Amino acid sequence: GAGVSQSPRYKVAKRGQDVALRCDPISGHVSLFWYQQALGQGPEFLTYFQNEAQLDKSGLPSDRFFAERPEGSVSTLKIQRTQQEDSAVYLCASSPVTGRWGDSPLHFGNGTRLTVT
Amino acid sequence: TQLLEQSPQFLSIQEGENLTVYCNSSSVFSSLQWYRQEPGEGPVLLVTVVTGGEVKKLKRLTFQFGDARKDSSLHITAAQPGDTGLYLCAGANAGKSTFGDGTTLTVKP
Repeated sequence: GAGVSQSPRYKVAKRGQDVALRCDPISGHVSLFWYQQALGQGPEFLTYFQNEAQLDKSGLPSDRFFAERPEGSVSTLKIQRTQQEDSAVYLCASSPVTGRWGDSPLHFGNGTRLTVT
Repeated sequence: TQLLEQSPQFLSIQEGENLTVYCNSSSVFSSLQWYRQEPGEGPVLLVTVVTGGEVKKLKRLTFQFGDARKDSSLHITAAQPGDTGLYLCAGANAGKSTFGDGTTLTVKP
């Protein structure tokens, strides 16, 4: 596709519900990242995939958070038993290069805004 | 945790004015990127700086990486309403990247 696509754009969940957030990266991009952005703050790293391998999940805040990218393209971020503190914008980014950094830019999607009530 | 501090947090100016925003850290970064984010959208990369003392220009925007690679600045000349947005810096070191909390810039016509 033309850019990184995330769905849904908005998600309202009741506390305790499970949610699944989807990311369609730019076709052919090897690297995929998930970030969490709280209101008024910068994005915080959650996890990184190189193809289907999850190479770094050090930013996942708890074992309620789980991410997968089974075929090395589409990725899903799942949050189990949502809590109010999980309310944030979840951003996905992809890059054609490997590693967490490089001269190649991170291409971000427009995010999913999760509100836990 | 490598902390990146951005200042000012908020900046409101009139069209045509010049401005500088700052990104500071006590840590050394191998590279630093600046992004601009508009409401409801994801960040968009503006520039990557790699070498200490490096200066890059993008039209009316001038980016500088500090000599010690611990800080950076973004200068905008003759700001326009289209420059309004959240400016984020992100530093990389040893494979880890950290974003600052950004400067929210409003340019009034």
